[in-house]
Amino acid sequence: TQLLEQSPQFLSIQEGENLTVYCNSSSVFSSLQWYRQEPGEGPVLLVTVVTGGEVKKLKRLTFQFGDARKDSSLHITAAQTGDTGLYLCAGAQGGKLIFGQGTELSVKP
Amino acid sequence: GAGVSQSPSNKVTEKGKDVELRCDPISGHTALYWYRQSLGQGLEFLIYFQGNSAPDKSGLPSDRFSAERTGGSVSTLTIQRTQQEDSAVYLCASSSRLAGVLPYFGPGTRLTVT
Repeated sequence: TQLLEQSPQFLSIQEGENLTVYCNSSSVFSSLQWYRQEPGEGPVLLVTVVTGGEVKKLKRLTFQFGDARKDSSLHITAAQTGDTGLYLCAGAQGGKLIFGQGTELSVKP
Repeated sequence: GAGVSQSPSNKVTEKGKDVELRCDPISGHTALYWYRQSLGQGLEFLIYFQGNSAPDKSGLPSDRFSAERTGGSVSTLTIQRTQQEDSAVYLCASSSRLAGVLPYFGPGTRLTVT
């Protein structure tokens, strides 16, 4: 059973476009994290959201935590080729992090 | 070192052989996690350690998989009698306490079973 569902699984867009990635669950999480992973490397933490309804901005990236703390979204404005990578959401449960299956983003010049 | 290190970075082995994967966590981090990642997929939890104890081994796929941690530091993941479906990237992460503080990941070991 996949506790965290990410959508879409694959996304290919042109540079300059906007995009949103979703992370949904039937479970409540005390916090959700977003990671970015490049080929051959481990995931790197982008942000943690803790409070229901919270919005965090990291330059062109906007992260939102749902009011019920069951879902989150990542919005990228004016995507750049350097944004290409695998985006993963994760939630803490029982002392470990549970990950979604990831969204593979490709930004073409 | 400054980050989590893993060795080897790549391992190719024949089906049926045993392999050992090593993880050196960030100094002072008490929690250590092992995950497995298939090509382009999310991370599958295997096991985590708090100190030298493993409170949760629920993600280990079979009894061919085992892990230990000594001295509250280095951890070894052992896969016996490897199978082709074991091929994946094995990622290790550490954090200063249970997932309340986010883990830092190593670069992974890419295991290929031929």
